Amino acid sequence: AQTVTQSQPEMSVQEAETVTLSCTYDTSENNYYLFWYKQPPSRQMILVIRQEAYKQQNATENRFSVNFQKAAKSFSLKISDSQLGDTAMYFCAFMKQYNAGNMLTFGGGTRLMVKP
Amino acid sequence: DSGVTQTPKHLITATGQRVTLRCSPRSGDLSVYWYQQSLDQGLQFLIQYYNGEERAKGNILERFSAQQFPDLHSELNLSSLELGDSALYFCASSSPLSTWDRLYGYTFGSGTRLTVV
Repeated sequence: AQTVTQSQPEMSVQEAETVTLSCTYDTSENNYYLFWYKQPPSRQMILVIRQEAYKQQNATENRFSVNFQKAAKSFSLKISDSQLGDTAMYFCAFMKQYNAGNMLTFGGGTRLMVKP
Repeated sequence: DSGVTQTPKHLITATGQRVTLRCSPRSGDLSVYWYQQSLDQGLQFLIQYYNGEERAKGNILERFSAQQFPDLHSELNLSSLELGDSALYFCASSSPLSTWDRLYGYTFGSGTRLTVV
């Protein structure tokens, strides 16, 4: 079974600064996908960024980027130029694909507060 | 609109009661997943159905049950409700080995907020 751990329950950052959220996971799989989801106060689950395990290049989406260390089973999220709208819960998730579906396992979340 | 529809959006009920949450998956998706999110907690996997059959079970209480119907919509039944069952219940859908899922993960509904009083 896969486990996902987010060791930072809460973090804060000043607007326009950079913050990094940590995530580690445990799996014996070789092919899998990793995701960061954002959950604002509206509680909607919003995909922020994804990474395929077979790709060595770190994913980047505008101000969001990841540091994927496969051997270390680490998948951190860096948010640059933080904005007030980035205030939310952030969940790291591991996905394994198999014939009957795709199983997403979530970490416990990190609450990020962006301060003006 | 994500394509996954959950009803109702909000539900308030008393302890000891029974409620049914409904989920219609995105068109073409065969798998439905139910997750429970208690206040300020992560998403806990409850159960998965694939094309009408139960495929995976997580930390689902015996008071809870689910099913997926021939039209692929799913219902989560919660009985003998307790105060601690108050939570946001998410449904998500996916298709096995689909490109969409590799790109975007699950497609989530907007959730049903259950309040037990």
